[in-house]
Amino acid sequence: QLQLQESGPGLVKPSETLSLTCTVSGGSISSSSYYWGWIRQPPGKGLEWIGSIYYSGSTYYSPSLQSRVTISVDTSKNHFSLKLSSVTAADTAVYYCARRRVVRGVQRVDFWGQGTLVTVSS
Amino acid sequence: DIQMTQSPSSLSASVGDRVTITCQASQDISNFLNWYQQKPGKAPKLLIYDASNLETGVPSRFSGSGSGTDFTFTISSLQPEDIATYYCQHYDNLPPMTFGGGTKVEIK
Repeated sequence: QLQLQESGPGLVKPSETLSLTCTVSGGSISSSSYYWGWIRQPPGKGLEWIGSIYYSGSTYYSPSLQSRVTISVDTSKNHFSLKLSSVTAADTAVYYCARRRVVRGVQRVDFWGQGTLVTVSS
Repeated sequence: DIQMTQSPSSLSASVGDRVTITCQASQDISNFLNWYQQKPGKAPKLLIYDASNLETGVPSRFSGSGSGTDFTFTISSLQPEDIATYYCQHYDNLPPMTFGGGTKVEIK
């Protein structure tokens, strides 16, 4: 069974860079038809897509975060990573990594990590 | 950018009731819409994809319909384990994906 597990610091200082890694187990990150990405949820609020990456390295970012986001993939370690620079308190959220399945144009997020809370505070 | 407007933002219903949630897109999105369930403290779970297709393993009391700009998500007979927040989500090509604001479902 596929599993995704987020890891990284739970506390980041304002203006610094948030860094998270998602380790994929039970399946290959290099499989076709799948994109790997990050979605976040501020406490008590809704879901916001951050961006996605294909195993080849092609990336797609939310326009509102594009200037601060970098997503990368390491196929040898079967994991992908998120970096969000110049964070503020507004970036405090639960960060989920997730798999986006794309088959004949139909897309759905069918696997999610458990989520990790990242707090931005000095 | 396409906006997804979900309503109501919350509802309270009795066990066994039929529950309906709507999601409206700001422009025609064909059937490029999914529905997710999120229980407190948990990651979202895919229930419906492509507006009306039930994800494998999801109980048949959940259903979805609609196309274009207006979509409906229905729980035919509300169960205690259905207490959650439900989100619609639009996709189009690869970037981006857009979520509705969510509907919190509670038991009366």
